[in-house]
Amino acid sequence: QKEVEQDPGPLSVPEGAIVSLNCTYSNSAFQYFMWYRQYSRKGPELLMYTYSSGNKEDGRFTAQVDKSSKYISLFIRDSQPSDSATYLCAMSEGSGYSTLTFGKGTMLLVSP
Amino acid sequence: SAVISQKPSRDICQRGTSLTIQCQVDSQVTMMFWYRQQPGQSLTLIATANQGSEATYESGFVIDKFPISRPNLTFSTLTVSNMSPEDSSIYLCSAEGGNNGIQYFGAGTRLSVL
Repeated sequence: QKEVEQDPGPLSVPEGAIVSLNCTYSNSAFQYFMWYRQYSRKGPELLMYTYSSGNKEDGRFTAQVDKSSKYISLFIRDSQPSDSATYLCAMSEGSGYSTLTFGKGTMLLVSP
Repeated sequence: SAVISQKPSRDICQRGTSLTIQCQVDSQVTMMFWYRQQPGQSLTLIATANQGSEATYESGFVIDKFPISRPNLTFSTLTVSNMSPEDSSIYLCSAEGGNNGIQYFGAGTRLSVL
């Protein structure tokens, strides 16, 4: 079993739809959870950051972490064509300068 | 946050040659990281570079193939040595944003080896 599982997609939705992106993980020591957005031919850009369980909202984006289920989600409301990108989940144990473990990324396509 | 500048952005190289990728951060950081990203795959960590010490390599990556320098708190280089077509990939550098696991990434170097 891979440490972080993420459906690669592609996920195609019409403009305005609510998008749900998810990752599951196996390492119970992960405490810090991130979502990165990567446009084609660009580096990953930090989108959301959450510590431990709970929700965090930033504009149209909401990140949820359920540590009991080892499951994290990213919701995008009122999706726009400019949201079309690959979304990578990433996790860290956070003890000192610990390394990140990434999912494979989900490609999202939002059509006008 | 940190702004990461990486160059070259892309290169096409001949088999058997070496390429050095540079990574510049706009602020002083303790840890810098080098990743490889192959199509359809997650980011794979090559090594962690801490200023003033030898880089720490992940399983499957060796210093002779991927030598790394970290001369100061804002700069690092990764060399891909004796390249083969299997080294064709995107190489990314990142810098830590604190001891919370956050990393900020450069735009990447797209390498093709013929």
